[in-house]
Amino acid sequence: QLQLQESGPGLVKPSETLSLTCIVSGHSMNSSNYFWGWIRQPPGKGLEWVGSMSHSGTTYSNPSLKTRVTISVDTSENQLSLKLTSVTAADTAVYYCAATFGVVIGWGQGTLVTVSS
Amino acid sequence: QLVLTQSPSASASLGASVKLTCTLSTGHSNYAIAWHQQQPQKGPRYLMRLNSDGSHTKGDGIPDRFSGSSSGAERYLTISSLQSEDEADYYCQTWGAGFYVFGTGTTVTVL
Repeated sequence: QLQLQESGPGLVKPSETLSLTCIVSGHSMNSSNYFWGWIRQPPGKGLEWVGSMSHSGTTYSNPSLKTRVTISVDTSENQLSLKLTSVTAADTAVYYCAATFGVVIGWGQGTLVTVSS
Repeated sequence: QLVLTQSPSASASLGASVKLTCTLSTGHSNYAIAWHQQQPQKGPRYLMRLNSDGSHTKGDGIPDRFSGSSSGAERYLTISSLQSEDEADYYCQTWGAGFYVFGTGTTVTVL
C-alpha cells in the first residue's frame, strides 16, 4: 500500500530556504505515468499545488512559485525533496507530499512549516 | 483557463444523503477529476477518480456510501447514510498539461 512520509524543519527564517524530504513506500517511484510532488495548505485555507516531478526528470511547478521551487526525485532511495528559496510569511503552510497519476492518488500526513524570525 | 468551482458549504442530517458538485470551466467538460476528503485537523484523503462518463475508481478502503457521477461539466460526489465522521472539507482536483488544479472546497456539516 502506497505510503508517503514528510520530514523537515518546522521553523524557517524569512529569506532562507525551506527544505523538505518525503519517503515513499509501498510503490516504486520508477512507475510510468506517475508524478511525485508537493501540495501546500496555508492555515485555514485551501490546497495549493507547488510542483511535481516524474522519475525521468520531467518537472512542473506552480507558475506563482516557479523561480523559487526545486523538486528532485531519488528513485534509488524512493524519496523526493522540495526546496523553496527566499521564503516569507506567506509560505507558512502544511506541506504535503503527494503521488499523482493524473489525479492525486496518495497523500502524506503533512508537515507544518512556519516562516518566522 | 482550467478552473474548478465548488459551493462553500452543504449540510444534511445524520443518516441522510448529500450531493456535492464540482463544475469544470468552459471547454473542459471532458476532464476527469478526483475527490478528496479532509477531516478536521487531518490531511486530505483520496476518495475517488471520477471520469466524464461517470465511471469512477475509489481509493483503498473507501466505503460504498461514497459514489460519484457526472453530467456535462459537472462532477458529483454523493455521500449516502451520512455519518458524523463525514463532517469534513471535500475538494475536487484535476490536471492539465503540466499543472494541477484544486477547487476551493465544500464544507459538509452533519446535522
